[in-house]
Amino acid sequence: QSALTQPPSASGSPGQSVTISCTGTSSDVGAYNYVSWYQQHPGKAPKLIIYEVSKRPSGVPDRFSGSKSGNTASLTVSGLQAEDEADYYCNSYAGNTGFVFGTGTKVTVL
Amino acid sequence: QVQLVQSGAEVKKPGASVKVSCKASEYTFTGYHIHWVRQAPGHGLEWLGIFKSTGVRTVYAQNFQGRVTMTRDTSTSTVYMELSSLGSEDTAVYYCATEMASAYYFDSWGQGTLVTVSS
Repeated sequence: QSALTQPPSASGSPGQSVTISCTGTSSDVGAYNYVSWYQQHPGKAPKLIIYEVSKRPSGVPDRFSGSKSGNTASLTVSGLQAEDEADYYCNSYAGNTGFVFGTGTKVTVL
Repeated sequence: QVQLVQSGAEVKKPGASVKVSCKASEYTFTGYHIHWVRQAPGHGLEWLGIFKSTGVRTVYAQNFQGRVTMTRDTSTSTVYMELSSLGSEDTAVYYCATEMASAYYFDSWGQGTLVTVSS
């Protein structure tokens, strides 16, 4: 069960958009619409920001959006703000083998 | 949302076992699964397994099968994760997290428990 592949880093200026990819296989990302995304600030527990590919929990700004095509899911952060600087992880359900996380992406707000 | 409180930091020697607890504030064991996730220093998140509220109770990640055991104490609303044959590579922060049954995402997280393996 290999980790989903994410770019190590992404960056953008305030107000710009950044998109993070999350590539899996036909056994996880490609097989189920159960991709979720988590934001983690240093020293803190992860926080759910997207579930079921594109749904936002209550309280998460609509600047965060998700999508999926084939074996690749994506998270877009629009209108970047300073507080968006954090690590982001995707996660996918993988059937009988359980769940698998992405390798993580550090987002820097320039 | 369910509030999760984990046990305190642990220091263990190589080859030993560690048991981390996760106590839920409003957990009835009928609607929520508990997942365990770890994060080694400077590294990403790694899923260890799930203790389900119904049906087949546990599913463990392949990398940890044979070394991890997840149990619960209904009387205290607490789920436990025990990891055996510890090595230095097991030094990490261990988190518990809830999944509303068949939701397939983790909506509440514990504060994390640092486990340090050192001789």
